[in-house]
Amino acid sequence: NAGVTQTPKFQVLKTGQSMTLQCAQDMNHNSMYWYRQDPGMGLRLIYYSASEGTTDKGEVPNGYNVSRLNKREFSLRLESAAPSQTSVYFCASRNREANGELFFGEGSRLTVL
Amino acid sequence: RKEVEQDPGPFNVPEGATVAFNCTYSNSASQSFFWYRQDCRKEPKLLMSVYSSGNEDGRFTAQLNRASQYISLLIRDSKLSDSATYLCVVNGKGSGTYKYIFGTGTRLKVLA
Repeated sequence: NAGVTQTPKFQVLKTGQSMTLQCAQDMNHNSMYWYRQDPGMGLRLIYYSASEGTTDKGEVPNGYNVSRLNKREFSLRLESAAPSQTSVYFCASRNREANGELFFGEGSRLTVL
Repeated sequence: RKEVEQDPGPFNVPEGATVAFNCTYSNSASQSFFWYRQDCRKEPKLLMSVYSSGNEDGRFTAQLNRASQYISLLIRDSKLSDSATYLCVVNGKGSGTYKYIFGTGTRLKVLA
């Protein structure tokens, strides 16, 4: 089972370049999330999508845009990358049942020079 | 103040020791609480949910104190394989129900 798949796994950008991180889940989950993780900062919520067709800002949304393309896919776009966006990005999905566990992808390591 | 706070550690303990972590949260309307484990350079994975009455899973015990707004994780008989970062997670109520906020994590090192 693939679970949550993120692409690319590694990316190096120059300041001002744009890129999109892709995330897809095959668990038929309703909610999807993008987090970033920096040393000593834990995971910080960028944007989330409670269900298909909705998106909401998290703790650190500035400099990012998201698209919930369909139930499976949730993309994160950096329009003009900055060195402060160097981080590890995690996508997650969650169903509404049981204990509402978040399932994570393996992460995407982004470096902005 | 962050919505969810943890002592970053590291907690260095010998094998077999008992260790406890606390996590405080600021939103009194929060309804769901979890502990996740993260190994170095890996994605976080659910360790256990935290229920109002407290719950246990083998060597791990989780507690919730709504009055003081904190959750705790107790690990008994620590193993080398318990070395990891432990993250507490809290979500909101109403429009924030789907908003899952992580603490900064507490590093645990279990020493031989």
